[in-house]
Amino acid sequence: DIVMTQSPDSLALSLGEKASINCKSSQSVFYNSNNKNYLAWFQQKPGQPPKLLIHRASTRDSGVPDRFSGSGSETDFTLTISSLQAEDVAVYFCQQYFTTPLTFGQGTRLEIK
Amino acid sequence: QVQLQESGPGLVKPSETLSLTCTVSGVSTDSMRSHYWSWIRQPPGKGLEWIGYFYYGGGTSYIPSLKSRVTILLDTSRNLFSLRLTSVTAADTAVYYCARHDDGYSPFDHWGQGTLVTVSA
Repeated sequence: DIVMTQSPDSLALSLGEKASINCKSSQSVFYNSNNKNYLAWFQQKPGQPPKLLIHRASTRDSGVPDRFSGSGSETDFTLTISSLQAEDVAVYFCQQYFTTPLTFGQGTRLEIK
Repeated sequence: QVQLQESGPGLVKPSETLSLTCTVSGVSTDSMRSHYWSWIRQPPGKGLEWIGYFYYGGGTSYIPSLKSRVTILLDTSRNLFSLRLTSVTAADTAVYYCARHDDGYSPFDHWGQGTLVTVSA
């Protein structure tokens, strides 16, 4: 199984600051035949299902604000929120869909300081 | 607009079978047959665990740790898919989500709201 490890476990920042969340996979999720990384980021607010933010490591899903961006390749990935807004308070998960079993990171809780 | 909604008992006794249904609206029968349909669970206050998926054109895939206890089926005539988990214990207490993805190599792009299932006597 591919193990996904996120860091940090929690993060408290001020409004307007930049947030960076890291995700490391135990093996590469890069697919050579199409040069794509099979890595997604989700946002989960209390009492709600996860919402897809980023797929293929760096492609924002439809309607996701451009303050959210994804980067990285193979085993190391980062979700960046360029300027933290109050509505960004949530838990963020990375997930690999390179192979089954599909696996998630443990989550990073983002709070406002 | 694609919508998914889980339904089923909120309380199951230990050693019994957990059965949930996910009703899908806003999709055609062809869409039900061309997408992948997954179940994912989240124990209270914890992370997400993919349970398995059903694909009309290729059958099922399950997480190995649950494979002996889980069955996912698709009913395209009624636009729903189901989860059956046998011999449950307290460790199976979780919010259960159903979700859709384009194929086995795509992210989950539509989710249900989730339903809490508690395993307790």
